[in-house]
Parts: sequence; C-alpha cells; structure tokens
Amino acid sequence: QQQVKQSPQSLIVQKGGISIINCAYENTAFDYFPWYQQFPGKGPALLIAIRPDVSEKKEGRFTISFNKSAKQFSLHIMDSQPGDSATYFCAASKDDKIIFGKGTRLHILP
Amino acid sequence: SQTIHQWPATLVQPVGSPLSLECTVEGTSNPNLYWYRQAAGRGLQLLFYSVGIGQISSEVPQNLSASRPQDRQFILSSKKLLLSDSGFYLCAWSAIKEKLFFGSGTQLSVL
Repeated sequence: QQQVKQSPQSLIVQKGGISIINCAYENTAFDYFPWYQQFPGKGPALLIAIRPDVSEKKEGRFTISFNKSAKQFSLHIMDSQPGDSATYFCAASKDDKIIFGKGTRLHILP
Repeated sequence: SQTIHQWPATLVQPVGSPLSLECTVEGTSNPNLYWYRQAAGRGLQLLFYSVGIGQISSEVPQNLSASRPQDRQFILSSKKLLLSDSGFYLCAWSAIKEKLFFGSGTQLSVL
C-alpha cells in the first residue's frame, strides 16, 4: 500500500526553467509534509517542509504548494540550475512515522 | 554538534549469509532512530523505527530485524540474506520528530 504517491519518476528541465514535482497522500492524519533532496551516493537532506494549515511556503527558489482538500502537494523549483540536479523525495509524517514517496530524478540541462 | 555514523559504506555478501549493519549517533540524547532501504524504482522504504531503547516498530514483513541495545545505537540484522535484500540502506535520526538526519548509507549487494 503506497501511502505517498509521487510523480513524475524523472524530469528534465532546461536551465532557468521551472521544475514541478507532485505528490499525493491518502492518510488525512498526516500533519507534516517535507521534501528531501538527495545527491548520488549521499543520504537525503531536508530541503523544505510545510504543515497542512498553510497553503504555500517559499524558501528562496523553492516553493511548496499544498492543497488539503485534494490531499496533494507539490514542489516548485524556480530558475532551475544544473546544481539542482538530484533526486527529490516528498514525504508525509504523523507522530514518529515518516513515509516517503518513490522519488523524482531531476536533471537540469545546462 | 550532532553526527551520525553508519558503516560499512559498501558490503558484498553471498545469499544465505548473515548481516549486521551498525549506526551510531553522537551529540544528542534519546533520538528517534530509523532504518530505510532505497532500491531502484522503490524510493525510500521505511523498515524500522525506534523511539527508545528496546522499542522497535517494524513496517515491512521481511527477513530483517533491528535492535537498539543502547540509546544512540541502532543495528540492522539478518540471519540469512536473500537476493532481494540488495539495496542502499540508510540510517537516520531525529530529535524534532519531523526532521530526519541521514547517514551516508550502506550499499549492500547480495550475490
């Protein structure tokens, strides 16, 4: 049973473009929605996160949009750069349990 | 500052052999500890998590087990490895419940 569904599986974006990754969740008890960034051979690192009482959160070029009624949230990377090329994971958590999506491999063309 | 140590970085094991992966955390007390497995196309799969010594929650039926003999030590074990156990194993800890700090991972190849 996949509690967090992430799409697309892979994404190619031109430098300077907008990268958009989408996630959907099933359990309405989830109360925290983070995004993690992972570079090859490394563990993931927290990028940005949002709680369901907020519809949008922005940190620099990274923005999370959250739609509670649709049980969906997305990551937008503005002015995408080659250094943003990585695997991105959305996640949802309740109490001490954190469930991740399957990840999106993002490649930014120079 | 807090650090997480995970070893070994790579491991090649024959089918049917035992496994022991160790993870330790420094600079914090009573962290939540997690084991995740990352396989191609399957993302980060939560295997076990622990909120205290001796307290282990298992998320996926498998031939793996976890133990927490000390506050900042988390061990992933298997008595007999299967081919399907191959993957990238990540240990993580959290103090604030939502923010995970991951180790550098162990690439396990079962042949």
